[in-house]
Amino acid sequence: DAGVIQSPRHEVTEMGQEVTLRCKPISGHDYLFWYRQTMMRGLELLIYFNNNVPIDDSGMPEDRFSAKMPNASFSTLKIQPSEPRDSAVYFCASSRSGEETQYFGPGTRLLVL
Amino acid sequence: AQSVAQPEDQVNVAEGNPLTVKCTYSVSGNPYLFWYVQYPNRGLQFLLKYITGDNLVKGSYGFEAEFNKSQTSFHLKKPSALVSDSALYFCAVSFRGNTGKLIFGQGTTLQVKP
Repeated sequence: DAGVIQSPRHEVTEMGQEVTLRCKPISGHDYLFWYRQTMMRGLELLIYFNNNVPIDDSGMPEDRFSAKMPNASFSTLKIQPSEPRDSAVYFCASSRSGEETQYFGPGTRLLVL
Repeated sequence: AQSVAQPEDQVNVAEGNPLTVKCTYSVSGNPYLFWYVQYPNRGLQFLLKYITGDNLVKGSYGFEAEFNKSQTSFHLKKPSALVSDSALYFCAVSFRGNTGKLIFGQGTTLQVKP
């Protein structure tokens, strides 16, 4: 199994630009989670999906952040417009109903200048 | 409020010595408990979990953890530390019937010195 795949692995952009992060969950997993990791705030859950439907987006910091899951094998997290305080590592994770364990992707390291 | 605490920001041990990374939780109901490890510039890797049954759980790379309900703790242990165990360790909790949503502790950096 290839595991959770995220792209890009690194992203450097300028303030005000749109950023799109991508995630492919493990095949057969019906839950998908987006996290953000910073030194100041640690790991934060941003949003999660079940069967492609957003279940809880209470962790999404602002309207500048949006996430979609158009099908079972693909999700995006978009920041528009980006700001320097969005600089962080963004992780995607997936799990299967009844298994409880989440499996994480390698992350996308975002730097907004 | 549901929370997970890792009281030590950093734990230092000598190679070959036993190690313990502490975790306590404050939740209602019967939680599921997890340990993850993060190596530099990598994602989180699952180490072990407690769901039910035997309080001593064995996981990857020789790690184990003991669930103590009375002390609401789930400390991670290893009998003999390796330099390669140096990493950031996260304790996490989820809840039965809560769709696997995880609450993470703040992380503990383990430094194993030769």
